[in-house]
This record gives sequence, structure tokens and C-alpha cells, in this order.
Amino acid sequence: GAGVSQSPSNKVTEKGKDVELRCDPISGHTALYWYRQSLGQGLEFLIYFQGNSAPDKSGLPSDRFSAERTGGSVSTLTIQRTQQEDSAVYLCASSLRTSGRPLGYNEQFFGPGTRLTVL
Amino acid sequence: KQEVTQIPAALSVPEGENLVLNCSFTDSAIYNLQWFRQDPGKGLTSLLLIQSSQREQTSGRLNASLDKSSGRSTLYIAASQPGDSATYLCAVRYYTGGFKTIFGAGTRLFVKA
Repeated sequence: GAGVSQSPSNKVTEKGKDVELRCDPISGHTALYWYRQSLGQGLEFLIYFQGNSAPDKSGLPSDRFSAERTGGSVSTLTIQRTQQEDSAVYLCASSLRTSGRPLGYNEQFFGPGTRLTVL
Repeated sequence: KQEVTQIPAALSVPEGENLVLNCSFTDSAIYNLQWFRQDPGKGLTSLLLIQSSQREQTSGRLNASLDKSSGRSTLYIAASQPGDSATYLCAVRYYTGGFKTIFGAGTRLFVKA
């Protein structure tokens, strides 16, 4: 079946503009994660959604970052008033909540990422 | 502070060699640990997932071990091939009221034909 998809694949924006990044998880996957990878840095956790539970926002770097997940499926990561340090590859992942298994038990499957460049 | 370290940062080996990549973590109260590979310009591919109660997982030429007491995981690649050239990432997940995943900086592997 189809994997995790993200759009756009590349986004170039001017400093101060708002951007929206989209993630379509694998059908049936109830958990969705956002990460970012800055040039030369490791992966950084941003936010985690699980079903209808309140998201874990502990990784969001500032209040300019927010994310929504509509209908338990598609997610949008919004960055307001972008700064040059926001330039990174933003990765989305999803995983399946297996009945009887605890949250976070399962493998994460990653999308190809969105490369954001803030000029 | 929870930190994940991968050693070496880069590795170059001739084709056919067996090799070991290391991942260490400072907080041993992990939930699970996952190894990924990342090819240039592409997303992550999951390789192996080890739950905290497990000691190792195997998939083909790959074997990952977990020793929580020493805060270490190793990824063993047997009979390396040029197609194995990629960056290998270790991700450690914790649960403290909510899930948190910490990634290592990765090991860049180059397998020479």
C-alpha cells in the first residue's frame, strides 16, 4: 500500500512569511509524528498525535510552531513568521496502534520529508 | 539530561566486511529503540525496532542488540555491500507521561566496491 506522503517536497519562502506543511499518514495508522532535521544536526522531535488524545507538543521549539491533525488522518504543521533558523527538512512519520499493545510500541514509518528553505 | 550518541560519526569499509555501529544513551529507562537508515536526499527507512524487554532483533544481514544496563545498542551488518552506504540513525524513545523520541546524530557509512 501507499506509504507516508508529504507535500510539498520543497518549499522556499521569505523570512517572516507563514508556511504550511502537509503529511498524509499510512491509512489506519493512528499515531503521527513530526520531526525536523537541520543541516548537520540530528533529528529533532517536534510533536506527536495519537488518536483523539491531546498531542504531545513537548518538542515544538517556539509558539510560532503549531500542528493540527484533522479527522485522525492528515496533519498540517504550520510555522508562522518564519526565520532563517527554521530552514530544515521536516519529516513526518506514522505508526499503527496495535490492539492490546501500548502506545509507542510500534515501528514508525517515515515520509520523504519537506525541505524548507527560509531566505 | 537524556542524550543519544552514535560512534563512529563516519566509517569507510571495503565490501564484504562485517561491521558494528554503536549507539549509547544516558537514560536507561527507555521504552524502545529503533534503527533507521537515511539515504541522501531521502527520508528514513526503518530497519529494526527493539522493545525495552528485548535483547536483540534480526533482519537479514542486520542484527541489533540492546543492553539497557550499560546504555548501549549495537547494529551489526554482515557482509557489507556498496548498497549499504547510507547514514544510520539510532532513535531512543522514552515515556514519561508522554512519548519523547531522541535521535543520535548518525553514523555515515561508506562501503567501497
